[in-house]
Amino acid sequence: RKEVEQDPGPFNVPEGATVAFNCTYSNSASQSFFWYRQDCRKEPKLLMSVYSSGNEDGRFTAQLNRASQYISLLIRDSKLSDSATYLCVVNNYGQNFVFGPGTRLSVLP
Amino acid sequence: DVKVTQSSRYLVKRTGEKVFLECVQDMDHENMFWYRQDPGLGLRLIYFSYDVKMKEKGDIPEGYSVSREKKERFSLILESASTNQTSMYLCASSSGTSGQNYEQYFGPGTRLTVT
Repeated sequence: RKEVEQDPGPFNVPEGATVAFNCTYSNSASQSFFWYRQDCRKEPKLLMSVYSSGNEDGRFTAQLNRASQYISLLIRDSKLSDSATYLCVVNNYGQNFVFGPGTRLSVLP
Repeated sequence: DVKVTQSSRYLVKRTGEKVFLECVQDMDHENMFWYRQDPGLGLRLIYFSYDVKMKEKGDIPEGYSVSREKKERFSLILESASTNQTSMYLCASSSGTSGQNYEQYFGPGTRLTVT
């Protein structure tokens, strides 16, 4: 089993739709969690950190469930510019970062 | 803004050549990382460093070495390039002390082709 798993996608959704991505991780000692966004042929960029209480940044909401070792990202009112690959990233205390394989999103006009 | 720069965006080398990929960050980050990214395989960690002159193997270190002589600079070395090392190479840095890491910032990547 891979340490970080994600829905592979691709997710093709119309503009204005709400879309949710899931991510599971296997190391119960994981400490920090992030969602990154990667555009085609570009480097990953931090979208948001994920906190235990859940957090929201505009149209984006991230949730963490430590008991189930599950992270989610919800995008409301999708825009064409949201089209990208979304990477779930887990960091284990004192160790390195582990990236999920990514979920590709295409928002269609 | 954190800036991570890589020496080349595109590089073409021949099989057997020694290849140096340079990465520089300007935010005084303790931690630096080298990844490669291939279609269908995602990002895979090659080497990382938590301090000057310190290095740790990642998941796929074979065929690579690294050097960190200064805090801001982390070099990836392909001792004898092979065609299976054709890939996108991404450098990243993060702050973090006492083992706790914060988010990573990535450079623009170097697309290396080995012929």
